[in-house]
Parts: sequence; C-alpha cells; structure tokens
Amino acid sequence: EIVLTQSPGTLSLSPGERATLSCRASQSVSSSYLAWYQQKPGQSPRPLIYGASSRATGIPDRFSGSGSGTDFTLTISRLEPEDFAVYYCQHYGSSPPRITFGQGTRLEIK
Amino acid sequence: QVQLVQSGSELKKPGASVKVSCKASGYTFTDYAMNWVRQAPGQGLEWMGWININTGNPTYAQGFTGHFVFSLDTSVSTAYLQISSLQADDTAVYYCARRLGAGGLDFWGQGTLVTVSS
Repeated sequence: EIVLTQSPGTLSLSPGERATLSCRASQSVSSSYLAWYQQKPGQSPRPLIYGASSRATGIPDRFSGSGSGTDFTLTISRLEPEDFAVYYCQHYGSSPPRITFGQGTRLEIK
Repeated sequence: QVQLVQSGSELKKPGASVKVSCKASGYTFTDYAMNWVRQAPGQGLEWMGWININTGNPTYAQGFTGHFVFSLDTSVSTAYLQISSLQADDTAVYYCARRLGAGGLDFWGQGTLVTVSS
C-alpha cells in the first residue's frame, strides 16, 4: 500500500513569495496518477494538478507541478491572498483501483 | 455544466442510520466512477471507496467495510452512501467526487455534514 507524506506540515509565507510543497511516495509511482488539490475552510477540495504537472481547467499558471518516481512538488510562484489554504496530494492505483491522499500541507499567511 | 449536489446536513443519535445522496447532472452519469471521501472535523481527506456506475459494484477502502454501503439509482443519476449503526467517530463531512480515468477527482459535491450525538 502506497503512503504519501507531505512536507512541511505548515508553511508560513507572505503574499508575493514563492511556495514549494513536497509530496513523497513510499514507493515509486507513475506520475500519470498523481494529483494535487486545494481546500479552503468550509469548501470542497478543488483540483489543481493532474498527472503531476497538468493544470486543471481554470487554474492560474502561477501553480505548477513537477516530479517523478517518489518525489513530487507543487510550486506556487507568487502567492496571492486567496492561495492560503490546505493542499493535498493524491495518488491513484489502478490494480486494484484505490486512492491515497497525503495528510496535507497548511499554507498560512506569515 | 457538471454538478454534484448532495443532500443536507444530518444530526443523528448513536445507533441510527443515515443515507446521503449525490445527484449528478451535466454529464452522462454512467461514463464516470463515483467516489466517496470522508473528512473528520479538523482532519484530512480519507478515501472511502468507489462504485462502478455501470455495474453497481462497490469497492470499499480498508477501514470502511462493515457499516458503509454505496448504492445507485441510475434512473435519477444519483449515488448514495448509507451508514448504519452510527457512532460518534462517524461525525464528518462526506463528499462524493467524480473520478477521471487517470484517477483524478475532477468534480466534487458540496459535502454533507453528518453529526452523531446523543
């Protein structure tokens, strides 16, 4: 069973700064099946990135994803006030079909 | 446009049952698998499992067998989550979410808060 570990648990930054969030898998996974989500208080998760690096519809280009194997990164190039939220990575395993979420990284205003 | 609309919040006593609905619109219901995700208060996202819309076959994640049941009514494009023998630790927001072929969850319901309290 794949375990996703996100770091840091909490990231404190200021608007305009660059954010780098990490997601590490317990074993090598296909980047095709790695996604990222943003969740704000009281809201449903919002898809950001599919296939490790493809932005979902309507996601601004300040969000980018990268990585392969066991190490994946979500980068927000210049933080906007609305970007402060919790971010989750997610993996999909196809045989048998199952989904695993990381524990989340809270991005807070410094 | 694609929408998943869930039923409203529920307050239940321990030992009771609850049935959460997730009505899909804006796409062909049978084209995508439906997944269920739980989020306990202040906690992260937990995948509960999924249901094959074409066959009605459910798959439950570890820890979600026993008193959780996924079902469908394809005639009204609705998926259901039933939880029986509710306990306090079932208190959570429950989400339905449509799954893409590559496993991403591209559309989510608004969530249903189930509170279990005596």
